[in-house]
Amino acid sequence: NAGVTQTPKFQVLKTGQSMTLQCAQDMNHEYMSWYRQDPGMGLRLIHYSVGAGITDQGEVPNGYNVSRSTTEDFPLRLLSAAPSQTSVYFCASSYSLWGEKLFFGSGTQLSVL
Amino acid sequence: SQQGEEDPQALSIQEGENATMNCSYKTSINNLQWYRQNSGRGLVHLILIRSNEREKHSGRLRVTLDTSKKSSSLLITASRAADTASYFCALALSRGETSGSRLTFGEGTQLTVNP
Repeated sequence: NAGVTQTPKFQVLKTGQSMTLQCAQDMNHEYMSWYRQDPGMGLRLIHYSVGAGITDQGEVPNGYNVSRSTTEDFPLRLLSAAPSQTSVYFCASSYSLWGEKLFFGSGTQLSVL
Repeated sequence: SQQGEEDPQALSIQEGENATMNCSYKTSINNLQWYRQNSGRGLVHLILIRSNEREKHSGRLRVTLDTSKKSSSLLITASRAADTASYFCALALSRGETSGSRLTFGEGTQLTVNP
């Protein structure tokens, strides 16, 4: 099993550009989520999904879109990148819908110039 | 605030010593979890303790939970240089206080174990 796979590992964007961060898991987990990690602020939840076709907002959803067409994939879209979105992004999944152990990807470091 | 607060923010010890990190919170929780993050890597789950449990062990890790004080501690015994990492507590919020299932993370404790 590969676990949770994120691509790309690094990305540099210009302000206003759009892009999609990919996340895939091969553990048949129903729950998937996206976090961003910023210095001094811990991890903050952006969006999450409790199954294919079901998504909901986390703490900091503005400027991001998600969709969940399959159990395996949960892409995160930046619609119009801003410098404030410079961060490290982590995708995570769980077999449980109710706050059980999360499996994390290795992260995407994004810089918006 | 619905996230835990770790204390201390940074901890530096010598190999072989014990390391203790604390997490305090203000909300009701279903469970509390501890994760480790090595520099430049994703988080790795260490241990989960449920709200009706008081203590759990896993290898050199010991976690306690005091729901009356809304606090938890992570003890790493006989630390090694390889334990150098950031440690995060994560709260699984009780069903009544959130519209969905999620974990909230604190800012972490940076542990440095010197050889």
